[in-house]
Parts: sequence; structure tokens; C-alpha cells
Amino acid sequence: DIQMTQSPSSLSASVGDRVTISCRASQSISSNLNWYQQKPGKAPKLLIYSASRLQSGVPSRFSGSGSGTDFSLTISSLQPEDFATYYCQQSYSTLWTFGQGTKVEIK
Amino acid sequence: EVQLLESGGNLVQPGGSLRLSCAVSGLTFSIYAMTWVRQAPGKGLEWISTISGSGGNTYYADSVKGRFTISRDNSKNTLYLQMKSLRVEDTAVYYCAEGSSWVDYWGQGTLVTVSS
Repeated sequence: DIQMTQSPSSLSASVGDRVTISCRASQSISSNLNWYQQKPGKAPKLLIYSASRLQSGVPSRFSGSGSGTDFSLTISSLQPEDFATYYCQQSYSTLWTFGQGTKVEIK
Repeated sequence: EVQLLESGGNLVQPGGSLRLSCAVSGLTFSIYAMTWVRQAPGKGLEWISTISGSGGNTYYADSVKGRFTISRDNSKNTLYLQMKSLRVEDTAVYYCAEGSSWVDYWGQGTLVTVSS
């Protein structure tokens, strides 16, 4: 199975900060990498698909990059509603795997 | 508006069985692959199974292979997950999700608790 490793596991940041979350695959997954945001008690929400494509309705402060094994999600200017847990997910294999999550907390 | 509504979650004893359902509306159900994802309390997301639009292809995580069966009834726009030989570690919120590469739409989740 393809393992997905996110870093950091958690981070503290302030409103207005630029935040970057990393996701590394155990083998090359081309651009088959997606990012989700999840708030407590809610279902996840798709932010980015195919590594860099912004899902409709998602603010442009979110962006994704990378290919092969190394990927990143960047929030250019953190807003109060962005405090949440973020997950990467590979779809290169039909057996999907998620990263362990990155919790973004208020500093 | 696309809606996915799970049902069937409950408290069950270890070794028991349970069937989850997910009623889907607002899209042409039969052309979309569907997926189950679960989340144990306080833990991350875990993909467990996907089924193709026709139902002819199914995929399972190793953690549930041989114990869980995904199926669908395209005439009823409904997705199912039959769970057998349940273990304490299967305790989780189970989400129904639409997508074969990424998830555009999620249900609200249904809680399965495996405990004696």
C-alpha cells in the first residue's frame, strides 16, 4: 500500500499568516493527490484535487503544488474559518490512503 | 442539490454484524463510483471501500477485506456496507462518499460502536 506522511502533525499560527502543510508519498503518485479540510463534528470538504486544481467555491488563498512524491498545501493568509484539520489523500492506487492529518490551531 | 444520507449505525457487540445504507439524491447515481470512509474517535480518515458505478468492481482496505462487503442498488439510488465479524477497532463514524479519485460529496456520517 502507498503510505502518506503529513508534516507537521499540528501547527499554531495567527490570522494573516502564510501556512504550508507537506505531504509525502511512499512512492511516486504522479499528480494524484487531493487535499481536504475537516472541522470538528463535520464531514471533510474537498479543497484541492489533482495536486493543484482548486475545487469550485474554495477561496483562492488555498493552493496546492507538487508531483511525484512531494506535495504541499499553502494557505496564503490564514483566516479565522481556516482553523481546522487538513488531510491529503492519494488516488494513484484504487486503494486510497489518507495522510494522518495536520491540525491548524490558533496561536 | 446532492444529498447523501447514511443510516444503520448502532451499538453492536464484538463479533456481530451490521448493515449501513446510504441514500443518494441529486445526481445520476448509477454513473458514479461510491466510497466508504471511516473515522475512529479522535483519529484520522481511513478509506475502507469503493464500488464502481455498475457495481462490477469493488475494492477494500486490508483492514476490512473478508469481513465487509460493499454493494449498491442503482434502482434505489442506495449504497450499502455489510459489516460482519465486527471488532472493537471498527468503532468509528462511517461516511458515505461520492467519487472514484476524490470525494466531491460526503454524507453526514453514521456512528458504529463495537463494544460489549
